Amino acid sequence: AQSVTQLGSHVSVSEGALVLLRCNYSSSVPPYLFWYVQYPNQGLQLLLKYTSAATLVKGINGFEAEFKKSETSFHLTKPSAHMSDAAEYFCAVRPAGNKLTFGGGTRVLVKP
Amino acid sequence: GAGVSQSPRYKVAKRGQDVALRCDPISGHVSLFWYQQALGQGPEFLTYFQNEAQLDKSGLPSDRFFAERPEGSVSTLKIQRTQQEDSAVYLCASSLAVHRVYNSPLHFGNGTRLTVT
Repeated sequence: AQSVTQLGSHVSVSEGALVLLRCNYSSSVPPYLFWYVQYPNQGLQLLLKYTSAATLVKGINGFEAEFKKSETSFHLTKPSAHMSDAAEYFCAVRPAGNKLTFGGGTRVLVKP
Repeated sequence: GAGVSQSPRYKVAKRGQDVALRCDPISGHVSLFWYQQALGQGPEFLTYFQNEAQLDKSGLPSDRFFAERPEGSVSTLKIQRTQQEDSAVYLCASSLAVHRVYNSPLHFGNGTRLTVT
């Protein structure tokens, strides 16, 4: 079965510092991978997706993620954190069968 | 608006009551999903519709959970004889793509927060 693991349930960064959120997937075939963001009391919003066209994927709000097959990873980064980036972030994989499977999430706290 | 709409936003039910949660997907979206998100967890898949057909209900936790989408648009998730462990946020998502277009993103509603007392 396909799954994703997000390392670290909470991440605290200073405003202006690098944001790095880790995601590893288990898959026997190259999957489709996604990052979603969830603000308090809201649904999930798509940040970016990997669909095998390019290993470095750029998303909204200055986020990007790099697919590394050898490491089965899809880590999310942003060079400079902003206060508005405080939210929960979910990595997800969508293999055959149409079922989007989420990781446990990483909550980001941005310190001024 | 043009997004996925869910109602009610909040629902408090006494243990044993039945509840019905509604989802209005984006117009024209073929695929519709229901997810359950417990506090502090990632969303867990419940069920999937392609138009009016329920193609996957493997995530429904018990036979107290029932979902329908009779005309291929609005969907209702019904929970009978609610239990405290049913307390969670129930998220609905829709996608334009038909089955097997795996890279098509899901558009999520804001969810219904169900609290069972």
